[in-house]
Amino acid sequence: NAGVMQNPRHLVRRRGQEARLRCSPMKGHSHVYWYRQLPEEGLKFMVYLQKENIIDESGMPKERFSAEFPKEGPSILRIQQVVRGDSAAYFCASSPWTGSYEQYFGPGTRLTVT
Amino acid sequence: QQQVKQSPQSLIVQKGGISIINCAYENTAFDYFPWYQQFPGKGPALLIAIRPDVSEKKEGRFTISFNKSAKQFSLHIMDSQPGDSATYFCAASIGSGNTPLVFGKGTRLSVIA
Repeated sequence: NAGVMQNPRHLVRRRGQEARLRCSPMKGHSHVYWYRQLPEEGLKFMVYLQKENIIDESGMPKERFSAEFPKEGPSILRIQQVVRGDSAAYFCASSPWTGSYEQYFGPGTRLTVT
Repeated sequence: QQQVKQSPQSLIVQKGGISIINCAYENTAFDYFPWYQQFPGKGPALLIAIRPDVSEKKEGRFTISFNKSAKQFSLHIMDSQPGDSATYFCAASIGSGNTPLVFGKGTRLSVIA
């Protein structure tokens, strides 16, 4: 049973470009969470989605960041007009059902903005 | 405002010794407390978790101790091995599941032979 998959694993963008990060949850999981990890810091929650719905985006920056989880295909975290401060590791997690506490993390995408 | 405070920031333990990592929380509504293990370049892996209705949970060499009145919980790694060298994060969440995890800042554990 494959775990949470994220791609790309490493992404380099110049300032002002767009970054698209993809996450495929574990098979059978319909709940997806995105977290950001800065160097030497813990993970910070960004957004929680179910299929076709954003449930909680309280941790998302108000501008330039958006997320979706379409009916078909992976969840996408999109960062427009990236700045150096966006450089971080972005992790996706999934959980299996409504009411589930456990979250299982993917390997992350390490974004570097030059 | 940091809601989950983790200590120590780094820890060196001799092989075979006991590693102890502590976390304290502020929000009394938290009702799920997991620990994650992260190796360099990898994602966090769920290690063990506890709910506040029990004071201790043990899985193999890993034990969580939970003190509800003190709002503290800790991870004990018995018979620590070099392969346990990693960064450990405590976390907490509230509600009836499917809620964001609030993480501590992590403890970098090194187990030396």
